Amino acid sequence: NAGVTQTPKFQVLKTGQSMTLQCAQDMNHNSMYWYRQDPGMGLRLIYYSASEGTTDKGEVPNGYNVSRLNKREFSLRLESAAPSQTSVYFCASSEQGASDTIYFGEGSWLTVV
Amino acid sequence: DAKTTQPPSMDCAEGRAANLPCNHSTISGNEYVYWYRQIHSQGPQYIIHGLKNNETNEMASLIITEDRKSSTLILPHATLRDTAVYYCIVRAFGTNSGYALNFGKGTSLLVTP
Repeated sequence: NAGVTQTPKFQVLKTGQSMTLQCAQDMNHNSMYWYRQDPGMGLRLIYYSASEGTTDKGEVPNGYNVSRLNKREFSLRLESAAPSQTSVYFCASSEQGASDTIYFGEGSWLTVV
Repeated sequence: DAKTTQPPSMDCAEGRAANLPCNHSTISGNEYVYWYRQIHSQGPQYIIHGLKNNETNEMASLIITEDRKSSTLILPHATLRDTAVYYCIVRAFGTNSGYALNFGKGTSLLVTP
């Protein structure tokens, strides 16, 4: 039971470098999400994809881009990493609908120096 | 989106019931109440959700007041492994964020021996 799988789990970047966080789910869910969590804070929504072929901004989209590659995969790209993007990133997925449970991956720890 | 208010921290003795309160006085009639928990920076884990009626599953019970302005999550026999941050979330409807979850700071529950 893989559920939601994120890679890499840990990454250190230099300021200005780019990288892509990968996320895949095996539950045939329509909706996928990217969140970030800063120390001592709750999760904040970066981007979401309500269904394959659509993406929308969340609460904190600046500095990020996303791609819904297919129904299974939803990637998050940092084009020019900044120290303010040091955070833990969580990918999640769900069926569509307010009564549908959202399932989270285990997180990707990103440090920008 | 309806906002939630939770106490920042609570303690509970092992083996006793843990009752975690949540206020959501601005909840709309068709918004669900969700509870998640996060153990030591792992991915958030779904616990339970409800609309109007009280709900129970193998992990917990959810009691929603008749006016739906508040709810209580009950862990009937808390164990040390229940030490975590517990998030009470009202599920967002509408186009702003699909059906994404809006996390606050939650309640940090410490279960003591």
